[in-house]
Amino acid sequence: GQQLNQSPQSMFIQEGEDVSMNCTSSSIFNTWLWYKQDPGEGPVLLIALYKAGELTSNGRLTAQFGITRKDSFLNISASIPSDVGIYFCAGQLSGNTGKLIFGQGTTLQVKP
Amino acid sequence: NAGVMQNPRHLVRRRGQEARLRCSPMKGHSHVYWYRQLPEEGLKFMVYLQKENIIDESGMPKERFSAEFPKEGPSILRIQQVVRGDSAAYFCASSPVPGRGEAFFGQGTRLTVV
Repeated sequence: GQQLNQSPQSMFIQEGEDVSMNCTSSSIFNTWLWYKQDPGEGPVLLIALYKAGELTSNGRLTAQFGITRKDSFLNISASIPSDVGIYFCAGQLSGNTGKLIFGQGTTLQVKP
Repeated sequence: NAGVMQNPRHLVRRRGQEARLRCSPMKGHSHVYWYRQLPEEGLKFMVYLQKENIIDESGMPKERFSAEFPKEGPSILRIQQVVRGDSAAYFCASSPVPGRGEAFFGQGTRLTVV
């Protein structure tokens, strides 16, 4: 089946540093989504991308939908302790019913 | 994920018992998705339902698992004769328009089979 390869698997950074993570696939997606999950909670939608090449920001978060439609990245600038959590990319295939395929997640730890 | 309500938050069942997980979508959303998450892994799609219809159940195990979304009331994910391997977090998501892929998740039900 379709897979999303998300990297890095984990990151341990200093407060104030910028963070970058990405997802790639061999399949073409028509939507890319980025979620954050805190322990014991459900994923919370951070950014949604709908067009190839689209660059979207949400506060300190910036995400881009790759031109090939097979990849996406998420950047977090000036990280703070509350950025700690697991970040997931998710993609929806063209013509799909809304079913999402998730990456394996990037665990982010921020040292104050 | 505000608005998608799942209950119970935690559920413990003995092997062989039945588990019933409930999900009420956000107001105005008629598309419901169920996902399963094993520890240290991403979410895996199970089933997509609209009111009274199963649209895509390609991720559902062939046996013991069933889902419904009745005209009235919440969506139910039912697992019969649970086994230890069913222990996981089960998340429900709802969407107003499925084609855009945007989905909002509930807080999940953590099922533990003992």
